[in-house]
Amino acid sequence: GQNIDQPTEMTATEGAIVQINCTYQTSGFNGLFWYQQHAGEAPTFLSYNVLDGLEEKGRFSSFLSRSKGYSYLLLKELQMKDSASYLCAVFKAAGNKLTFGGGTRVLVKP
Amino acid sequence: EPEVTQTPSHQVTQMGQEVILRCVPISNHLYFYWYRQILGQKVEFLVSFYNNEISEKSEIFDDQFSVERPDGSNFTLKIRSTKLEDSAMYFCASRAVGTPNTEAFFGQGTRLTVV
Repeated sequence: GQNIDQPTEMTATEGAIVQINCTYQTSGFNGLFWYQQHAGEAPTFLSYNVLDGLEEKGRFSSFLSRSKGYSYLLLKELQMKDSASYLCAVFKAAGNKLTFGGGTRVLVKP
Repeated sequence: EPEVTQTPSHQVTQMGQEVILRCVPISNHLYFYWYRQILGQKVEFLVSFYNNEISEKSEIFDDQFSVERPDGSNFTLKIRSTKLEDSAMYFCASRAVGTPNTEAFFGQGTRLTVV
C-alpha cells in the first residue's frame, strides 16, 4: 500500500518563504509530483522529481530524497494568490497509479 | 492549450439512480484516470485505464462503478445505483504516453450531489 503524509495547514506572510514537507512509504516508486489546488478547482501541476535533489522552477522548488522517503515544496516570495492547497502525489508505474496525500492548505496573509 | 473537458459541471441525482459522468481527455493522451474528492477531503484515486482496460482500481471502485471508452474521444464513469455517500467532485485526468515524468492533466470536475 501507500502512505503519504503532509501537514494539514500552514500560514505564512506575503513575501516570505514556506516549505511544505511530504513523507511517503510506498511499494514501488516512479516519481513524486506536486500539484496546486485552489478551492473548488482542479489540481494543477507544479513539479516532478524522480531523482534525488532539487528541481527549481521560478518561485517554486521541489526536493526529493528517495532513501528517506521525503520531499518538500518550497514557495518563495509568497503572493496572496499562492493561498491554496498543495498536494504531494506518488506515482507508481505498475498500475499507472498516481496517489495523492491529504494536501497542505497554505494561507498567505498580508 | 489542450485541456481535459468534463460534462456536466454539476449533476443532481436521486439515490438509487444511475449516473454517467463524461470526460474528453487530451487527444494524444493514452492514460486515463478518475478521481473523486469529497468536500474538504483528499483527492482519492478511483481507477486508471490504458489500452482499453483498467490498469488498477481502488477499493472504492466496487461493482457499482464502471468505466468505458466508447469511442476515440470519450472516457466515461458510470455509477449504477448512487448512494448518498457518492456525493463528491469527480475529476477525470489524462497523461501522455512516454517517459514517466509526464504530468496528469485534470479536468474541471463534475460535482455530483445525490439526494
